[in-house]
Amino acid sequence: DQQVKQNSPSLSVQEGRISILNCDYTNSMFDYFLWYKKYPAEGPTFLISISSIKDKNEDGRFTVFLNKSAKHLSLHIVPSQPGDSAVYFCAASFNTDKLIFGTGTRLQVFP
Amino acid sequence: DTGVSQNPRHKITKRGQNVTFRCDPISEHNRLYWYRQTLGQGPEFLTYFQNEAQLEKSRLLSDRFSAERPKGSFSTLEIQRTEQGDSAMYLCASSVSTPVGNTIYFGEGSWLTVV
Repeated sequence: DQQVKQNSPSLSVQEGRISILNCDYTNSMFDYFLWYKKYPAEGPTFLISISSIKDKNEDGRFTVFLNKSAKHLSLHIVPSQPGDSAVYFCAASFNTDKLIFGTGTRLQVFP
Repeated sequence: DTGVSQNPRHKITKRGQNVTFRCDPISEHNRLYWYRQTLGQGPEFLTYFQNEAQLEKSRLLSDRFSAERPKGSFSTLEIQRTEQGDSAMYLCASSVSTPVGNTIYFGEGSWLTVV
């Protein structure tokens, strides 16, 4: 039972443009959502999070949007840079419990 | 470096051998997690501790796997009688439990290859 889904395994974006990564979840009890970035052979690095009481959170080039009615969140990266090329995981939790992760989206930013 | 530390970073072992991974969490983080990641998948939850108490174990954690966190500091994950299917990256993470949300911080992982 995949409670957190990232349906796009890969995304390719030109440098300077916007990258939009999507994530869907099935458990309406989730109340905290996070995005992580992962380079090969390294552990995931925390990027940004959002509580279910908000619908948007921004940190520099990264913005996370939450649509609770659609059980959907997205990560926007503007402008995209070559160093952003990595695998991005969304994760969700309920009541400060463990995180449940999606399967990841590989982002490639080309010049 | 005050991040989560894991060792060894890489381990190659023969099938049937036992292996142990160690994790040192961020200082003063009271929660410690173990996850496993295989190619093309996201991190899968294995178990977590709050201080020295093991609060939850995934059904993925067979009886060949055991984790400990003595004195609520570092943790070890032992895999007995390793199988080829155990080959994966084992990730440790830690956090401070808060009433709002639980951001966990990962170490760099320990790669296990069972041959």
